[in-house]
Parts: sequence; structure tokens; C-alpha cells
Amino acid sequence: TQLLEQSPQFLSIQEGENLTVYCNSSSVFSSLQWYRQEPGEGPVLLVTVVTGGEVKKLKRLTFQFGDARKDSSLHITAAQPGDTGLYLCAGVPVGGSYIPTFGRGTSLIVHP
Amino acid sequence: GAGVSQSPSNKVTEKGKDVELRCDPISGHTALYWYRQSLGQGLEFLIYFQGNSAPDKSGLPSDRFSAERTGGSVSTLTIQRTQQEDSAVYLCASRRLAGEDTQYFGPGTRLTVL
Repeated sequence: TQLLEQSPQFLSIQEGENLTVYCNSSSVFSSLQWYRQEPGEGPVLLVTVVTGGEVKKLKRLTFQFGDARKDSSLHITAAQPGDTGLYLCAGVPVGGSYIPTFGRGTSLIVHP
Repeated sequence: GAGVSQSPSNKVTEKGKDVELRCDPISGHTALYWYRQSLGQGLEFLIYFQGNSAPDKSGLPSDRFSAERTGGSVSTLTIQRTQQEDSAVYLCASRRLAGEDTQYFGPGTRLTVL
């Protein structure tokens, strides 16, 4: 069962364009994380959001956690070729052991 | 070392053979995870070790899969009688303490079963 729906699956844009990636679920999460993965490497954590409605910024990247803690978005402003990679969201379930559920990822290509 | 290391980086095997994949977590990290990543499928949880507690094996897809963590450090994922559908990238991650969110991933082992 895919508990985290991530969209779009693929995104190919030109340098300078803006984009938004979405991560949606019917489940409530205690926290949600965004990772970026480059070919041949493991995912690297970008941000963790914990509070409903929380907004975090990392340079040109803006992350938002939904008020109900069921969804999140990643917005990139003025994308650069260096932003190319696979973006993954992961939700940590409320209670129980810490085993995050990952979305299928969004493969982003930014053309110069 | 400074990060999580995995070996081998690539493994090609024949159907029916056993394989062992190794993970060296960051020193002092109490939690260790194994995931499988197939094309277009995201990360699939396999097994989770936390300190001296019994591991959470709920993600292992079949009894051909097993994992050990010796001395609270190095972990080995063993796949017996490999099948072609086992082909994937196997990722290991470690986390410093229970309750901390940040997982640090290794570069993965790409397994190809012919």
C-alpha cells in the first residue's frame, strides 16, 4: 500500500522556472522529511517539518507541512541545473517505532 | 568513517545464488535500516535495528531475506536463492538516537540477478 502519493513523478524544466512537488496522504504524520538523491548516491536529508502549517526555507527551496500534517509541498524558485535529482518525501507515522514511509519520488531535470 | 559505507557497490549474481551485502553505519549510531529501491518504486523498508532491541523485520519480502547486526555496528543483509525480482539498489541508513529524525544513507549496493 502506497501511503504517500508524490506528484509529479517526472519534471523536466528550463533553468529559471519555478516548480512545486506535492506529497499527499490520508494518514497523519508526526513529521515529514524531504530528501534529494543523485545518481549512484543515497538520499540526503534536506529538511524535516514537524508542526502543522510549518514553512521552512532553504535558499531557493520552500517546504510546507499541511495544517493537518497529512501533506507537504516543496517549491523551488528559479530552478538551477544543480537542482537536478530525485526528490523524495518520507512521513514518520504517529506513535510506534520510527519507520518512515517514502513516496515514489519526483525525478527533476533542469535544463541550462 | 565519516559516513555510512556499503559494500560491494555493485554485485552481479546468477539466479539461485546467495549474496551478502554489508553496511558500516556511522560510529555510535544506535539505529540501522535497510531499504530496497527499485526503479519508479521509491524506497521500500526492509528491516530496522535499534540498539539491543529485537529487530523489526516487518518489511522483509520473503524468508529468503535475513539480516544481522553484530556488536551494534556492522550489518549484513543476506539474500538466499536470489531471484531476478530481487534486482534493485539496496540502501542502508543509520540514525544516532531513537527519536531523532535524521537518517544518514549509504551510497547503496546495486544488485543485478541474471
